[in-house]
Amino acid sequence: AQKVTQAQTEISVVEKEDVTLDCVYETRDTTYYLFWYKQPPSGELVFLIRRNSFDEQNEISGRYSWNFQKSTSSFNFTITASQVVDSAVYFCALSPGAAGNKLTFGGGTRVLVKP
Amino acid sequence: DVKVTQSSRYLVKRTGEKVFLECVQDMDHENMFWYRQDPGLGLRLIYFSYDVKMKEKGDIPEGYSVSREKKERFSLILESASTNQTSMYLCASSHPGGDDGYTFGSGTRLTVV
Repeated sequence: AQKVTQAQTEISVVEKEDVTLDCVYETRDTTYYLFWYKQPPSGELVFLIRRNSFDEQNEISGRYSWNFQKSTSSFNFTITASQVVDSAVYFCALSPGAAGNKLTFGGGTRVLVKP
Repeated sequence: DVKVTQSSRYLVKRTGEKVFLECVQDMDHENMFWYRQDPGLGLRLIYFSYDVKMKEKGDIPEGYSVSREKKERFSLILESASTNQTSMYLCASSHPGGDDGYTFGSGTRLTVV
């Protein structure tokens, strides 16, 4: 069985602060995919990143960066210099075996960025 | 523009009613999924299907069933709606290899009174 844990339920920061969202996962599969999604107040799920289990390189996309560490089963997400538009719920998710298989989501972390 | 369409955005039903939530995708995806979203619990998988007429239970199938008679349509059925099934329901689809990721519908907010 798969499990994804996002221990932080809510984080509140002031604009321009950095914020790191933690994600810890459990799986017995050797091949798996990890995802981050953003859900703004409008409700739609916005894809942010996909990582497979064989690629531990960290990734940076603009103000977003991700740190994948298999040794600790973690896939953490950092927003640098946060903006009000970053206010949303962020979900970490895991897909066992193949990237299109069923996703197991964490409970989500609500990020509130205050001006 | 590819998409997953859920038939209703908001739905109010009475306890004991049989409820159908419809999901249609136009991407020729083999895989389809039904999730429910509740605050603090994230998205939890109810049922999924990797092929037409195929279905598998997810993590919380109790009180639900599904139907997939055609590749593009995946229906979620609440056999006898109860108040604890009040939730946001999200449908999604994907290719087996996941090359183009998952596409989610905009959700159906169901209230059972």
